[in-house]
Amino acid sequence: ETGVTQTPRHLVMGMTNKKSLKCEQHLGHNAMYWYKQSAKKPLELMFVYNFKEQTENNSVPSRFSPECPNSSHLFLHLHTLQPEDSALYLCASSQVGHNEKLFFGSGTQLSVL
Amino acid sequence: KNEVEQSPQNLTAQEGEFITINCSYSVGISALHWLQQHPGGGIVSLFMLSSGKKKHGRLIATINIQEKHSSLHITASHPRDSAVYICAVRSETSGSRLTFGEGTQLTVNP
Repeated sequence: ETGVTQTPRHLVMGMTNKKSLKCEQHLGHNAMYWYKQSAKKPLELMFVYNFKEQTENNSVPSRFSPECPNSSHLFLHLHTLQPEDSALYLCASSQVGHNEKLFFGSGTQLSVL
Repeated sequence: KNEVEQSPQNLTAQEGEFITINCSYSVGISALHWLQQHPGGGIVSLFMLSSGKKKHGRLIATINIQEKHSSLHITASHPRDSAVYICAVRSETSGSRLTFGEGTQLTVNP
C-alpha cells in the first residue's frame, strides 16, 4: 500500500462515453501527477499539480481534462476518447521541496472501444 | 536517441544470481529514480539518488554523475524480484518533470 489510491482499476468505454478517473493520496503531499503508460513505451507525464494549481500540461489533448479540487484529490475526466488512448493511467504524488520521491497508485487500465 | 537508456531490455536469471541493470542518461540531472513495476501496473519507488550509493535490503543503487550512469544491483535474486525496473531522471532544468527509460523486464526463475 503506497498511500495513493486510484479508482477504478479497470475501465472499458466507448468513444462517445464520458468517464472520470479518481486518485486520492493520504500522504500529505503537495504535488500530484497523471502519467500515461502505453504498451512498450516509457511512462509519459500528462499533468502536474502543485498546491492544487496546474503547473504542467504536457501537450495533452483536450479530451483529457484534469481537476484538482484539493491537495489530496485528483481527477482525470475523459470524453470522446480514441482507441489509441487505451493505456494504463497512473496517478502519483510527492512532496515538492522535500525528498520528492514519487508514490504511485496502482493505475487504471483503460480500454477504449 | 532517448535521453534515458536502459540495458538490458530483458533479463532472465536463476534464483540466487547477482543481477545488474544499467541506466545511462544524456542530460545534467538533479536526481535519478529507480522504480519497480509488478504485473498489474503498480509502481513502487525503490531509490532516489543524486550521488554515491544507496542500499536497501538486497537492492543497491549506484550513480556516477561524471559518467552519467547508474546501476541497480540485486543480490541473491528471488522469483519475487521478477518485475519491470524503470530508471527515471529529473534534469537540472525540468522542475518536477521526470524522463523515464523504457524499463528492464527481469524474470528470476526458481
